Amino acid sequence: EPEVTQTPSHQVTQMGQEVILRCVPISNHLYFYWYRQILGQKVEFLVSFYNNEISEKSEIFDDQFSVERPDGSNFTLKIRSTKLEDSAMYFCASSTNYGYTFGSGTRLTVV
Amino acid sequence: GDSVTQMEGPVTLSEEAFLTINCTYTATGYPSLFWYVQYPGEGLQLLLKATKADDKGSNKGFEATYRKETTSFHLEKGSVQVSDSAVYFCALSLRVGGFQKLVFGTGTRLLVSP
Repeated sequence: EPEVTQTPSHQVTQMGQEVILRCVPISNHLYFYWYRQILGQKVEFLVSFYNNEISEKSEIFDDQFSVERPDGSNFTLKIRSTKLEDSAMYFCASSTNYGYTFGSGTRLTVV
Repeated sequence: GDSVTQMEGPVTLSEEAFLTINCTYTATGYPSLFWYVQYPGEGLQLLLKATKADDKGSNKGFEATYRKETTSFHLEKGSVQVSDSAVYFCALSLRVGGFQKLVFGTGTRLLVSP
């Protein structure tokens, strides 16, 4: 069964550093998403991406965040200057008109 | 705005007990409704879904019925197993243009003891 693949599974970074989280969506999916789950809290929508541009973004997705699909297969989330409160599990997902598939997540720890 | 409210956990049950996890929603349109499960250390897996009123989603012994009149989508299982211990998220999706945005509840942790 096709999967959404996320790398790395766990990343530790120093506050103020840039991080890039990577995702390979399912190949025939057209819509791509990032969600975030702070430990013990609910899963929150960050951003959706279609046709090489952002479709919608939440209030969380401020200027420190950016997304890119650089080569037609990877889908990346960049955090420009990480803060302690960016520590969370980040989930990538892709969808067709009929349903979502989530990746297994990247746990980001900012120290 | 659109939102999902779930019962707080943890829910602690003995094996073979009956499970209900309550979920209600608020939405401006006609959402699809989902239950996702997150096992320890893993990502989100779709457990079941329902796309219109009175639909019943079912999978692995779990069931939930889309009740428009009570705006609810309660998750039930007749006999839980230790392996069902996980966090369960109720979610709704609304189509925004061509894509679906998921709105999640806070999650309910289920602990099943032998």
